[in-house]
Amino acid sequence: ETGVTQTPRHLVMGMTNKKSLKCEQHLGHNAMYWYKQSAKKPLELMFVYSLEERVENNSVPSRFSPECPNSSHLFLHLHTLQPEDSALYLCASSHGPGREMGDTQYFGPGTRLTVL
Amino acid sequence: LAKTTQPISMDSYEGQEVNITCSHNNIATNDYITWYQQFPSQGPRFIIQGYKTKVTNEVASLFIPADRKSSTLSLPRVSLSDTAVYYCLVPDTPLVFGKGTRLSVIA
Repeated sequence: ETGVTQTPRHLVMGMTNKKSLKCEQHLGHNAMYWYKQSAKKPLELMFVYSLEERVENNSVPSRFSPECPNSSHLFLHLHTLQPEDSALYLCASSHGPGREMGDTQYFGPGTRLTVL
Repeated sequence: LAKTTQPISMDSYEGQEVNITCSHNNIATNDYITWYQQFPSQGPRFIIQGYKTKVTNEVASLFIPADRKSSTLSLPRVSLSDTAVYYCLVPDTPLVFGKGTRLSVIA
C-alpha cells in the first residue's frame, strides 16, 4: 500500500554470516534511505541515495554496505554483524533529498534483524 | 540534532481531542512542517503537512501560527488505535526524526 516494499521482513543471522536486505519503491522517487531503529530509540539515518549516488553516510560501520543499482532498488549488505546491530531496519523513498521545502518520505514495513 | 522540540509523551482517554505542539524556532522561510505517525515495529507514516494557518485532512488538523515557530497537530476524538509515536519534522540535511511524542490512548 505504501509503495515501498522490503524483504525479508524478518532475518536471524549469526555474526559470521553475510546477508542482504532489499528495498524496492514503486513511487517514481529519486531518493532512497536506510534507517536503523533499535528498541525504544529514535530513528537513526544510515544512508541516503539520490539518483543512485550516495549523498549521506552517517558514520556507519563498514560492516554495513549499501548498494543502489537504480532509483527503484536499494540494498543493504550485511557481514560480520554484532548482536548490538539487532534492530528494525527501515527503507524510505522521497522525491529528492536535502533541504526540500516539503519533501515527504514514504517508508517500507521494515526488516526485523536479529544477530545471534 | 533535531531542529524541533515536542513533548516526550502524552496520555489521553478515548474520545478526547489530542493536541500535540511542536516548536521549530529556526524554521526557514520556505520550509513546510510535516507530521508522521509510527506504530510499534512499523515505519513512520505521513499524516499531514502544512506551511501556514490551518490544514485539515481525514486524519488530523494542523495549526500553524503566523510566526510559524510552532505547530500543533490536532487529533479529533482519539481511539485506542491512535496510540503511536508522532513526529514533527522540518526540512534538514540530513532529515532528523528526533524522539517524537509517544501518545498513549486509554480506554
